[in-house]
Amino acid sequence: EPEVTQTPSHQVTQMGQEVILRCVPISNHLYFYWYRQILGQKVEFLVSFYNNEISEKSEIFDDQFSVERPDGSNFTLKIRSTKLEDSAMYFCASSEWWDTDTQYFGPGTRLTVL
Amino acid sequence: DAKTTQPPSMDCAEGRAANLPCNHSTISGNEYVYWYRQIHSQGPQYIIHGLKNNETNEMASLIITEDRKSSTLILPHATLRDTAVYYCIGSYSGGGADGLTFGKGTHLIIQP
Repeated sequence: EPEVTQTPSHQVTQMGQEVILRCVPISNHLYFYWYRQILGQKVEFLVSFYNNEISEKSEIFDDQFSVERPDGSNFTLKIRSTKLEDSAMYFCASSEWWDTDTQYFGPGTRLTVL
Repeated sequence: DAKTTQPPSMDCAEGRAANLPCNHSTISGNEYVYWYRQIHSQGPQYIIHGLKNNETNEMASLIITEDRKSSTLILPHATLRDTAVYYCIGSYSGGGADGLTFGKGTHLIIQP
């Protein structure tokens, strides 16, 4: 069964450093998402992406965040200058269509900012 | 998206049916009810969704009341691997551009 993959599984970085989290969505999917989950808290929507553009973004997704689909398979989330509060699990998801379609989530990247 | 209310936790014996309730009294006529689960900080996993009719797939059944104000997710023969947090989400389009809005969900614990 096709699945969403994410790398790395765990990333440790120093405060102020840039990190790039990588995702490979399911191959025929056209809609991509990033979510985050701070330890012990809810899963929160960050951004949706379609046709090489951001479709929607939440209040969390400020100027330090950016997303990109650099090639036909990868979807990345960049955090330019990490803060302690960026420590969280980051989940990538994809879906085939907008409308009544389910989202398939990857296993997540645990980001630890020291 | 509709606000949903779920009990924070539930227990169920292994091999028995687990029935997880969800109230969504403000759901709109064209909002679907989606269920996802999250096993120990893994990525959320889609289970099932429905609009008006009851639905069944290989994982679970979804019973939606006629007035659509509540629903029940049924895991027919719960196993220890079904221990997870279960999320009931009201959504016009499975998330669409706005993404899915997760609440706190129900922590289902399957007891051996």
